[in-house]
Amino acid sequence: DIQMTQSPSSLSASVGDRVTITCQASQDITTYLNWYQQKPGKAPKLLIYDASILEIGVPSRFRGSGSGTDFTFTISSLQPEDFAIYYCHQYDSLPFTFGPGTTVDI
Amino acid sequence: EVQLVESGGGLVQPGGSLRLSCAASGFTFSTYIMNWVRQAPGKGLEWVSYISGSSSNIYYADSVKGRFTVSRDNAKNSLYLQMNSLRAEDTAVYYCARDGRGDVWGKGTTVIVSS
Repeated sequence: DIQMTQSPSSLSASVGDRVTITCQASQDITTYLNWYQQKPGKAPKLLIYDASILEIGVPSRFRGSGSGTDFTFTISSLQPEDFAIYYCHQYDSLPFTFGPGTTVDI
Repeated sequence: EVQLVESGGGLVQPGGSLRLSCAASGFTFSTYIMNWVRQAPGKGLEWVSYISGSSSNIYYADSVKGRFTVSRDNAKNSLYLQMNSLRAEDTAVYYCARDGRGDVWGKGTTVIVSS
């Protein structure tokens, strides 16, 4: 199984800050990597797919990059509605696996 | 509107069974891979099961293999998860999610396994 790690596990930031989260896969997943945002009591929301493609309707302050085993997710200017948990997710091979999540709070 | 709606969750005793359903609308259901993903209270996301559009390919997480069965009825635009021999550790919110990208999710249905 492919293991996904995320760093950091949590971070504190302020509105307007640039936030960066990294995700590492235990083996090459090319670009089969998604980033989700989850708020309390809600389903995950797809933000980025195929490592770097912005889902329709998602603000351009969200950006993803990387390939192979190392990936980066960036929020260029944190907004109040961005405080949430962010997960990476590989769908290169089954079983699909998620990273443990990164909590972004104030 | 593209939508997934889960149902069938509830409280069940250890060793019991439940059948979850996921009703799809707003897209051609039969052409999409579907997944079940769960989230235990206060925990992260765990992929549970995958089924291809034609049901020809089915996969399970090791944690549920032999106990859970995924199926779909493309004529009814519905996805199912039959859960048997339930354990306390199966307590979670269960989501259905479309495609490998997980571009559409339902709101989830809660399963509580407790005596």
